[in-house]
Amino acid sequence: AQTVTQSQPEMSVQEAETVTLSCTYDTSESDYYLFWYKQPPSRQMILVIRQEAYKQQNATENRFSVNFQKAAKSFSLKISDSQLGDAAMYFCAYRSARAGNMLTFGGGTRLMVKP
Amino acid sequence: DTEVTQTPKHLVMGMTNKKSLKCEQHMGHRAMYWYKQKAKKPPELMFVYSYEKLSINESVPSRFSPECPNSSLLNLHLHALQPEDSALYLCASRQGMNTEAFFGQGTRLTVV
Repeated sequence: AQTVTQSQPEMSVQEAETVTLSCTYDTSESDYYLFWYKQPPSRQMILVIRQEAYKQQNATENRFSVNFQKAAKSFSLKISDSQLGDAAMYFCAYRSARAGNMLTFGGGTRLMVKP
Repeated sequence: DTEVTQTPKHLVMGMTNKKSLKCEQHMGHRAMYWYKQKAKKPPELMFVYSYEKLSINESVPSRFSPECPNSSLLNLHLHALQPEDSALYLCASRQGMNTEAFFGQGTRLTVV
């Protein structure tokens, strides 16, 4: 079974600064997807960024980028130029590429942004 | 339309009540999901519907009964719930294997 671990229950960052959220996972599969989801107080889970395991290039989406280390099974999220609206719970998630498999979530990291 | 709409947003029910949660999407997604999320915890998968058929039931108690009347609609019927069933119930949908899931805003359920 796959497991996803987020070792930082809470993080804080000053507005306009950069913060990195950590995620490690355990799997015996070679083909899978990794995701970062954001859950603000509005409760909706919003996809921030996704990474296909077969791609060596790290995914980027505007101020959000990942550091994907497949051998180390590490998938960290970097948020640059942090904004107040970035404050939320962030969940790292894993999904196998095999049919029928669903998301396995990490425990979450609560990000606070200080003005 | 890239939304998954859940109603109601909040629900308070007694342990003897029967109620239903509703989830709707018009993106043509053929897979729909129910998750349960307790406070400060990640979502936990409950049910998966694929092409309107139940494909995964994660050993959920029978007091939760899912229903998929058509490809756009997913219901969760609730009966004789316990206070520990109080949680945020999230619905999600997905088009295919290589696509991401879209989530609704959830229903905050309180069982009294």
